[in-house]
Amino acid sequence: KQEVTQIPAALSVPEGENLVLNCSFTDSAIYNLQWFRQDPGKGLTSLLLIQSSQREQTSGRLNASLDKSSGRSTLYIAASQPGDSATYLCAATFSNSGYALNFGKGTSLLVTP
Amino acid sequence: SQTIHQWPVTLVQPVGSPLSLECTVEGTSNPNLYWYRQAAGRGLQLLFYSVGIGQISSEVPQNLSASRPQDRQFILSSKKLLLSDSGFYLCAWSVGLGEDTQYFGPGTRLTVL
Repeated sequence: KQEVTQIPAALSVPEGENLVLNCSFTDSAIYNLQWFRQDPGKGLTSLLLIQSSQREQTSGRLNASLDKSSGRSTLYIAASQPGDSATYLCAATFSNSGYALNFGKGTSLLVTP
Repeated sequence: SQTIHQWPVTLVQPVGSPLSLECTVEGTSNPNLYWYRQAAGRGLQLLFYSVGIGQISSEVPQNLSASRPQDRQFILSSKKLLLSDSGFYLCAWSVGLGEDTQYFGPGTRLTVL
């Protein structure tokens, strides 16, 4: 069974800190991996998409990496701000499982002023 | 620009009642459309996806069904709701299957009592 796991489940940091969110997956036959942000009671906002041929993607203060061999992806947030507080979800599409996005349960991030 | 709408925003229904949730996309043609459910304490799960009008693929067997009567309209239905159908339902669209970013709607919160 293909699974996506996110650690930690929750994280609280003071404003200004750099932080790393972790995502692991059980199947190296990954097609792509996406990171999303979800605010309470809201839909998902796509942050970054990494294709299987890529190793990282950057957008502003966000940097996502992908290591297929170890089954890991990380989302790095630089100089965190209170507005970054949200739940961050990673989702993988596997090459042999159709078109489903397999989601982790998310990391709930709180950035305190 | 593309936008995705879902309604209703929230819904409270008794067990055994029917369900109809609607999703529409603007600003794109022939999108791939998806229905996901986010249940309490669980990750997002793909329910259905569609590559075109009248074409529906089911990922998980259940008492829900989906239809795509128009190019940019995706409907999730049930004839008789169960308590376990409660959750946050999200519609999404993408240009390509698998390889492209999926863009999510604002979601519908369904509570079955």
